[in-house]
Amino acid sequence: KAGVTQTPRYLIKTRGQQVTLSCSPISGHRSVSWYQQTPGQGLQFLFEYFSETQRNKGNFPGRFSGRQFSNSRSEMNVSTLELGDSALYLCASSLDRTGAEKLFFGSGTQLSVL
Amino acid sequence: AQSVTQLDSQVPVFEEAPVELRCNYSSSVSVYLFWYVQYPNQGLQLLLKYLSGSTLVESINGFEAEFNKSQTSFHLRKPSVHISDTAEYFCAVRRNSGNTPLVFGKGTRLSVIA
Repeated sequence: KAGVTQTPRYLIKTRGQQVTLSCSPISGHRSVSWYQQTPGQGLQFLFEYFSETQRNKGNFPGRFSGRQFSNSRSEMNVSTLELGDSALYLCASSLDRTGAEKLFFGSGTQLSVL
Repeated sequence: AQSVTQLDSQVPVFEEAPVELRCNYSSSVSVYLFWYVQYPNQGLQLLLKYLSGSTLVESINGFEAEFNKSQTSFHLRKPSVHISDTAEYFCAVRRNSGNTPLVFGKGTRLSVIA
């Protein structure tokens, strides 16, 4: 069974640009969550989707947005990039939303904003 | 809202010595508790979790954690570490009902020294 796939693996952008990151969950998983990981800050929750609906949103500005498609694949978009957006963006999927199930993480997309 | 505090950002320890990684959580409701591990250049993977029942939970590679409700702690321990345990460890919490995301601590970097 294929794991969670995130593309691209690395991205270099300049300030003011926008970026779209993609996540393909494990087959059959309907929940997809996104996290931002930075040194010293750990993982900060961005948003969670379940069956194409945003179920939770973290405390990030409106420049950060996401969506989920009918096949459960998800994308997140960051507009008007800032230097502070440089981070590892992690996607995780799970089978359902009981809260007890484990999350399966992808390897992440490393975004560098110059 | 739930929150997690990992009291040590870095823990160096000699090979075959015991180790404890500390985690305290804050929540006004009942929660599920998790430890995830991130090996270098990889995504996170579940190490162990506490849902209910026995307060001591174990992983397949020798780690264990004990849920202590009165002290709101979920410390991770291993009696004898190996070089291969070098990784970053994240404690996480999620309320056991309702619609809330998994909240992570800032992580503890465990470095095992030969």
